[in-house]
Amino acid sequence: DTGVSQDPRHKITKRGQNVTFRCDPISEHNRLYWYRQTLGQGPEFLTYFQNEAQLEKSRLLSDRFSAERPKGSFSTLEIQRTEQGDSAMYLCASSETFYEQYFGPGTRLTVT
Amino acid sequence: AQKVTQAQTEISVVEKEDVTLDCVYETRDTTYYLFWYKQPPSGELVFLIRRNSFDEQNEISGRYSWNFQKSTSSFNFTITASQVVDSAVYFCALKGRGGGSNYKLTFGKGTLLTVNP
Repeated sequence: DTGVSQDPRHKITKRGQNVTFRCDPISEHNRLYWYRQTLGQGPEFLTYFQNEAQLEKSRLLSDRFSAERPKGSFSTLEIQRTEQGDSAMYLCASSETFYEQYFGPGTRLTVT
Repeated sequence: AQKVTQAQTEISVVEKEDVTLDCVYETRDTTYYLFWYKQPPSGELVFLIRRNSFDEQNEISGRYSWNFQKSTSSFNFTITASQVVDSAVYFCALKGRGGGSNYKLTFGKGTLLTVNP
């Protein structure tokens, strides 16, 4: 069974540029989550999709952030006009049920 | 609001020692779920265990055991006879069943465990 995959694994960008990350969940998992993890901290919830519907967004997700999940399969997370404070690991997780969430390897973003 | 506290930032042990990682949680939900995840240096969070609030039975899986005590809001994790491969950051997490906490996991800050040979 293939796990959650994320692309790219690493991204270095200059402040002010836009970036987009992709997450492919475990097949048939209809629930998908995005988290952000900064150094020395636990992951913090950003947003949740059930199928293609975005059902919850954290207030951490400012107007510069947008997430989509067209057709309820893969998801993208876009950050516009990146800032140095956006530097973090962006984690995607998926689940089949309400309970366990299975995480991907993450995308490490560095904004210079 | 939900909160998870992992008071131990770093723990260092020598191989074969037993080690316990502490987790204390806060929630107003009457039904909730507790989790432990392992994050090795590669970065991917690996699910270890889920415990439901209505099931206080402790669990053992090989060298791993978990002690859930509702009276003290604690969900501690013990590794028996630690091995170098156990070196990782371990996260305790909480998920509620009510209202806005229905979807997300709330994580503690993690405990970095280093097992030295």
